[in-house]
Amino acid sequence: GESVGLHLPTLSVQEGDNSIINCAYSNSASDYFIWYKQESGKGPQFIIDIRSNMDKRQGQRVTVLLNKTVKHLSLQIAATQPGDSAVYFCAENGGTGNQFYFGTGTSLTVIP
Amino acid sequence: DSGVTQTPKHLITATGQRVTLRCSPRSGDLSVYWYQQSLDQGLQFLIQYYNGEERAKGNILERFSAQQFPDLHSELNLSSLELGDSALYFCASSVGSTGNTIYFGEGSWLTVV
Repeated sequence: GESVGLHLPTLSVQEGDNSIINCAYSNSASDYFIWYKQESGKGPQFIIDIRSNMDKRQGQRVTVLLNKTVKHLSLQIAATQPGDSAVYFCAENGGTGNQFYFGTGTSLTVIP
Repeated sequence: DSGVTQTPKHLITATGQRVTLRCSPRSGDLSVYWYQQSLDQGLQFLIQYYNGEERAKGNILERFSAQQFPDLHSELNLSSLELGDSALYFCASSVGSTGNTIYFGEGSWLTVV
């Protein structure tokens, strides 16, 4: 399968600060990327996505940046809240079907 | 709630046994995916079905098999279970077969003792 890696396995931030979670992907042919949030005991939850024809996409308090030159993806969370504490995965669609390959995840802890 | 339904939520079984995990995709979705999540392997893609046909295969063991039925629900069969098969098994679904967002269910916790 493809290799999608995360630079930081854990991240702790103060409530109200901005969080940045990074991800490196390996398949330059991947054209669709998704960030998922996974809380303990639950399934991965869709946060935001971006296609390879874009560099940036914004949602509610979240922004995803894509740098195809260096095959890097980042998730920015503004005004981080305790409810944002979870594991975050980036996933790339690099297969022949629609399967996504996931990184190892970054655990985000928000300190009140 | 993603709309993807998985049963059972928890399952404990002995080594050598066989279990079946069931998944109902979101209404209107034709693709179903199975993923395995273990502590040391992360989220691993197992297999994808689209409208009843196998579409893509990942790291699925020969002891495991899956199918998608005409009503689009899917089953993952795990046989000759080993301790190392203990994991969370997720089902996900999407509208089409390529280029679509996939939405995950809450998973089935399998413990093999």
